[in-house]
Amino acid sequence: GAGVSQTPSNKVTEKGKYVELRCDPISGHTALYWYRQSLGQGPEFLIYFQGTGAADDSGLPNDRFFAVRPEGSVSTLKIQRTERGDSAVYLCASSPQGEDTDTQYFGPGTRLTVL
Amino acid sequence: QKEVEQDPGPLSVPEGAIVSLNCTYSNSAFQYFMWYRQYSRKGPELLMYTYSSGNKEDGRFTAQVDKSSKYISLFIRDSQPSDSATYLCAMTGRTGGYQKVTFGTGTKLQVIP
Repeated sequence: GAGVSQTPSNKVTEKGKYVELRCDPISGHTALYWYRQSLGQGPEFLIYFQGTGAADDSGLPNDRFFAVRPEGSVSTLKIQRTERGDSAVYLCASSPQGEDTDTQYFGPGTRLTVL
Repeated sequence: QKEVEQDPGPLSVPEGAIVSLNCTYSNSAFQYFMWYRQYSRKGPELLMYTYSSGNKEDGRFTAQVDKSSKYISLFIRDSQPSDSATYLCAMTGRTGGYQKVTFGTGTKLQVIP
């Protein structure tokens, strides 16, 4: 079956612009996670959705970052007033129910470059 | 100090070698330990998962956890060029029913044919 997909695969933008990154999780997975991976680093947790609600957004770095999942499936990560430091690969993962022992399945990521 | 420390490498070995990858951690709340493999420009994929001290084997891969020392290892036997990737250790504690995973920085492995 289809895995987690993310679009676009690459996004180049200018400092100060607004961007949206999309994640399509595996069908039927209720849990969805966003991570940010900077060059040479491991993924860092940003936000966790269970269904439509953000159950834990403690990893969002500041209020320029926001994510939604209005119908409990597709999620969009939104970044306002982008800064050069936002350049990274943004990874999305989904898991069946979000339980401690679930496996998270990752998408290929969106590589964001802020000029 | 980071909660999870991992030597970034790179690590270069000849085909057939035994590879040892390691991580240390400081948070005693971590109870579930994972190893992910990440190929270039791809998302991480889960290799091994364990929640107790001791060894767990899966084919050429063995995961080892020592909670008393806060130390985990991944061993790869008979390494193959296709094993060339970045290996990320990851761990999580009980967070009320979901995984809030903390990753290491990853070790880049190259297996030379």
